Amino acid sequence: DSGVTQTPKHLITATGQRVTLRCSPRSGDLSVYWYQQSLDQGLQFLIQYYNGEERAKGNILERFSAQQFPDLHSELNLSSLELGDSALYFCASSPLGRAWGEKLFFGSGTQLSVL
Amino acid sequence: QQQVKQSPQSLIVQKGGISIINCAYENTAFDYFPWYQQFPGKGPALLIAIRPDVSEKKEGRFTISFNKSAKQFSLHIMDSQPGDSATYFCAAQGGSEKLVFGKGTKLTVNP
Repeated sequence: DSGVTQTPKHLITATGQRVTLRCSPRSGDLSVYWYQQSLDQGLQFLIQYYNGEERAKGNILERFSAQQFPDLHSELNLSSLELGDSALYFCASSPLGRAWGEKLFFGSGTQLSVL
Repeated sequence: QQQVKQSPQSLIVQKGGISIINCAYENTAFDYFPWYQQFPGKGPALLIAIRPDVSEKKEGRFTISFNKSAKQFSLHIMDSQPGDSATYFCAAQGGSEKLVFGKGTKLTVNP
């Protein structure tokens, strides 16, 4: 068990809808990362937060947004959902969120299915 | 643009055999190369990592070989076991880049 908790495990919704994915990092970790995993693209970095502030942005669509709250949990909001957004979304955490060489601890993911 | 190219996409080996997964990168600013292991229904977990100042790192049955001039690195799993069956991701990080992953290799070790 990595210590990173993601809810829900599965989410089924329709095109055009909005969903929220939640992540609780390991106790003491200040940084949270969101990744999208699909069969054709592999693991794609979306966004990183460190102690409540956005630290880095990757291939995140404008329809997607995230935030990290004072208790350090994070939420990833996906809106105007399209079929192509169906994927496994992972949250990871790390102690300090350094740009280099820090071990990431991944949650078990949220499987999103857009019908 | 795939910054880290991983091959093969899938690999089947017999128990006791050697599993070899290869990765190549272009960005010379990369200076940290981890491998993550993912079992079905779980998130990836760090397996082993290497920095470019060494050409090889070994941890138990797992070895990373690194060729800086060729910009390639590989994971070798010696005496492969059915419990090693998982998806393996190589990754790279450096400069201003966040950790970027290869597309993964699904390894099946037959008993």
